[in-house]
This record gives sequence, structure tokens and C-alpha cells, in this order.
Amino acid sequence: AQSVTQLGSHVSVSEGALVLLRCNYSSSVPPYLFWYVQYPNQGLQLLLKYTSAATLVKGINGFEAEFKKSETSFHLTKPSAHMSDAAEYFCAVTLSGNTGKLIFGQGTTLQVKP
Amino acid sequence: SQTIHQWPATLVQPVGSPLSLECTVEGTSNPNLYWYRQAAGRGLQLLFYSVGIGQISSEVPQNLSASRPQDRQFILSSKKLLLSDSGFYLCAWKGQGELSNQPQHFGDGTRLSIL
Repeated sequence: AQSVTQLGSHVSVSEGALVLLRCNYSSSVPPYLFWYVQYPNQGLQLLLKYTSAATLVKGINGFEAEFKKSETSFHLTKPSAHMSDAAEYFCAVTLSGNTGKLIFGQGTTLQVKP
Repeated sequence: SQTIHQWPATLVQPVGSPLSLECTVEGTSNPNLYWYRQAAGRGLQLLFYSVGIGQISSEVPQNLSASRPQDRQFILSSKKLLLSDSGFYLCAWKGQGELSNQPQHFGDGTRLSIL
């Protein structure tokens, strides 16, 4: 069965520092993976998705993620944090089948300090 | 382009009162539709999903129900709200028949507070 684990419920970085949000997945089939961002009192916005075309995926707002099959990981990074990056980030994997259901990680809250 | 609307944005209800949250999608036909709940400090919990009119699958036993009376309308209901029903409710859609690598698209959510 597919599952997603996000290591670290809270991550704090200084403005301008590297952002690294960790996501590990478990899947018996080749996974399709997503990162979403949620700003306070808003819905989820897609940051990027892994579709097996390339292991390094670039998304919006300067974020990127690298799919590493050997490590079953899909960590999200950004070279230089901006205050506007403060939000909650969710990693998700698609369940196999035609329901389109997603399994979400528990989320990581990113705090950016000035 | 496709859009998804949820309303109301916020709602305060007394314990024991009924509930109806509505979600509609525009610009697409026969989407898969989903209801999630996000409780304070917790991740997203899938409550219901629907692959067509009148077709509802429940993911967890609870005090809530869902209906899909029209192709692009998804309603979340309760006859009697509990304190534990408080949370942030999100509706999402995904194109029917799309490959699994296509994402779900989310509405802006409804903040439900039970007093």
C-alpha cells in the first residue's frame, strides 16, 4: 500500500537560507508524487509533480524536488528562502487505480525568519 | 479554464445543528470530486470521493454524508453537528480518466467552527 512520510512537522530557516523539506514514500508500483503548498486559510496549490519524465522536477516559486528511487525520497528544496515561502507544505502520492485518490503526508510548516 | 468554488468560506454553527457545504466545478465535465477535512494541527483526511453523479464512496465512518446531485456539484452534509466536526473542509477535483500523474485541484476551503 502506498504511504507518505514527511520528516519534521516544523522547519525554521532564515531568509536567504536553503529550504529542505523531506518526503519519503512507500509504493509497490512506480509512484506519481506531488508537492502542494497551503497558505493560511487557503486551499492547496500545486507546487510541482513527478511523472517519471525527469528525476529533477522544477516547480513554481523557485522550488524543485528530486526523485530518488533508491532512497524512496522526493525532497523539496529551494536555494534561498523568502519570507513569502512561510506556509504549510504537503507531499502526496497517487493511489493506483482510477479513483485519483491521493495519500498525503502530515505536512511540514515552514517558518522563515528575517 | 477550470475553476472550483466552495461556500461558505466560514461558518459558525451550534452543536446539533445541520450542515450543508457546497462545492461546484466549472469548465470541465464528469470530474472526480473529493471532500477532505483538515483538523487543527493535523494533515488532510479524505472523507468522500465521487466518480460520477450519485456515486459516493465514504472513506471513514463519521457524522457526515456527501451527495452529488449534479455532474459538477458536490455537497457535504450533516443532520446533527458534533464538536469534533470542527475543521477546515476542502473540496477538490480531478479530470475523469486523467492519468494518475495529473494532480487534484483544490478549492479555497470552508472554515467550520462548532460552538
